[in-house]
Amino acid sequence: GQNIDQPTEMTATEGAIVQINCTYQTSGFNGLFWYQQHAGEAPTFLSYNVLDGLEEKGRFSSFLSRSKGYSYLLLKELQMKDSASYLCAVRDPSNTGKLIFGQGTTLQVKP
Amino acid sequence: DVKVTQSSRYLVKRTGEKVFLECVQDMDHENMFWYRQDPGLGLRLIYFSYDVKMKEKGDIPEGYSVSREKKERFSLILESASTNQTSMYLCASSFPGSTEAFFGQGTRLTVV
Repeated sequence: GQNIDQPTEMTATEGAIVQINCTYQTSGFNGLFWYQQHAGEAPTFLSYNVLDGLEEKGRFSSFLSRSKGYSYLLLKELQMKDSASYLCAVRDPSNTGKLIFGQGTTLQVKP
Repeated sequence: DVKVTQSSRYLVKRTGEKVFLECVQDMDHENMFWYRQDPGLGLRLIYFSYDVKMKEKGDIPEGYSVSREKKERFSLILESASTNQTSMYLCASSFPGSTEAFFGQGTRLTVV
């Protein structure tokens, strides 16, 4: 079966660091994606991991451990505009580009 | 800039109506997808298409059909709308094997 788990909600303080975890159990694996979605808007691409390790992109980093079926998104120097939902998704290995999503984590950044 | 455009942001339809949701992309992507997004359930794949006139069922295809007559356009059809199809519908497109899928703004459909 396909199962991707993320916490439903998180709260953090402006300027702090927050880590959003994602665990997955899927029948195949061809990369893990993180998307950001502000309320009422389209999801936008944040990061992609296919090999184990940390990918850093500015204030955002994403980590993958394939053996553990685990990823996290790390957000540093939080800003109010980072309040959004963060979606973890695993790509199907069939090369159709099909993405399997978790339920998303709603992050609220407080002053 | 890649653009994925969905024809309506908000729609209200009556139970039993036939509903068409349209999606157009301007990047010559082969792959196109329809998802629905519900609170607590995340995005769930309804149908996808990897070429003109080709389609495959996703995880929740019941009550839906799709049409891909041209590469840039992928339509989602609710044959007979029901209240449990009230949801946010998101279209996406990508190149095969691409590291990124691009999403439209979404259509919030309410069936009354």
